[in-house]
Amino acid sequence: ETGVTQTPRHLVMGMTNKKSLKCEQHLGHNAMYWYKQSAKKPLELMFVYNFKEQTENNSVPSRFSPECPNSSHLFLHLHTLQPEDSALYLCASSQESGDNAYEQYFGPGTRLTVT
Amino acid sequence: GQNIDQPTEMTATEGAIVQINCTYQTSGFNGLFWYQQHAGEAPTFLSYNVLDGLEEKGRFSSFLSRSKGYSYLLLKELQMKDSASYLCAVREGNYQLIWGAGTKLIIKP
Repeated sequence: ETGVTQTPRHLVMGMTNKKSLKCEQHLGHNAMYWYKQSAKKPLELMFVYNFKEQTENNSVPSRFSPECPNSSHLFLHLHTLQPEDSALYLCASSQESGDNAYEQYFGPGTRLTVT
Repeated sequence: GQNIDQPTEMTATEGAIVQINCTYQTSGFNGLFWYQQHAGEAPTFLSYNVLDGLEEKGRFSSFLSRSKGYSYLLLKELQMKDSASYLCAVREGNYQLIWGAGTKLIIKP
């Protein structure tokens, strides 16, 4: 059983809707990530939080808004999305320590369809 | 610029050996990861290389040459369950991984 859970697993929303994706990690990690995965394209890092502080924001449109209330929970708030935002949204966590690199653990993802 | 290249798709036979290559051009290097992703599932960690050479882990091995910007994942004694996408990712500095588009491996009986 994965230590990273995501809800919902599937989401269909219209362009005028507002919805939120939820991620929870049970691994005691201090960093959490949101990725977008589109067919035949590399994983795109959207946001990184370390110790609840946002450290990366890779020029993501403002219609995606992250929230990290504590080191175990991460949300992605969605509003006025476009059809090209349809993709698999993956959450991941890792334990960061100085310059050491550690593997990221992924949740099962939310399959988002924007109509 | 940043670039990770790996073949889009490969086919191999059950019981055989397959090598999946990954070449990279990044502004920094702090390790290379391989992940496996079955269709509709989350990527799962396979291996990590930060020094040159071969890392062996059961049926899977991963090789790194930093001077050539090159890595490969070697899968031995292929099983049908190895049919999946294999993702190569380079860590440039802190946190950020640069990902390849993945190699879809098809195993035939």
